[in-house]
Amino acid sequence: AQKVTQAQTEISVVEKEDVTLDCVYETRDTTYYLFWYKQPPSGELVFLIRRNSFDEQNEISGRYSWNFQKSTSSFNFTITASQVVDSAVYFCALSEAPYNTDKLIFGTGTRLQVFP
Amino acid sequence: EAGVTQFPSHSVIEKGQTVTLRCDPISGHDNLYWYRRVMGKEIKFLLHFVKESKQDESGMPNNRFLAERTGGTYSTLKVQPAELEDSGVYFCASSQDRIGGYTFGSGTRLTVV
Repeated sequence: AQKVTQAQTEISVVEKEDVTLDCVYETRDTTYYLFWYKQPPSGELVFLIRRNSFDEQNEISGRYSWNFQKSTSSFNFTITASQVVDSAVYFCALSEAPYNTDKLIFGTGTRLQVFP
Repeated sequence: EAGVTQFPSHSVIEKGQTVTLRCDPISGHDNLYWYRRVMGKEIKFLLHFVKESKQDESGMPNNRFLAERTGGTYSTLKVQPAELEDSGVYFCASSQDRIGGYTFGSGTRLTVV
C-alpha cells in the first residue's frame, strides 16, 4: 500500500541552524513521484518540489536541498541557515504514475518553528 | 495570475445543517482536486475533476458529500447533512499538468458543532 511517514511532528531550531525534515515512503510501483509542500501560517499549500522515481539526483534551490534515496525509500528535505520565515508546516507527498488519476498521498506533516 | 480561491475561509455550522464550499481554480486549469485534512491527521484526497467530469471520486467519504463542477470552471462541495466528523480543513487545488504540481487554495476551515 502507498504510505508516507513523517516521523517528526514538530521541530524547533534557532535561526541560522540547519534542519532536516525526514520523509519515508512506501509504494508498490516502480514509477512514482515525490513532492514537498509548505504550509505557511496563511494556510495555503505551496508547492516546493516534484521528483520522479527515475531521477535520484539531489536537488538544491537556494537554501533548500532535497536528498532522494530509493535504497532507503526516503526523500529528505534540508533547510540550510534557517530563517524565521521558514516557520511553517511541511508536507511530503507521493503520487503513483497517473494511470487514471494523480492523487497525492500526504504525510502528516512536520511543523517547523524557527526562533530568532 | 490569480491563484486558487476558496470561500468561505471559515464556516461554523450545527450538526445536521448543510454547507456548500466553493473553489475557483486558476483560469484554464482543467484539473481540479478536493482534499481534506481532519485535525492532526494527514491531508486526504477526496476527488478529481477533469473539466466538468469526475475523473476519480474514490476519496469521497460517503453520500453526504456532493461535488460539482459547473461548465468546467468553479467547483462546489456540498455536505448535507453535516456531521461532527466532517470538521476539518477542505483544500482545493488546480493544475494543467496532471503530475502533482498543483496550486492549492488557502482552504476552508469547517467546524461542525
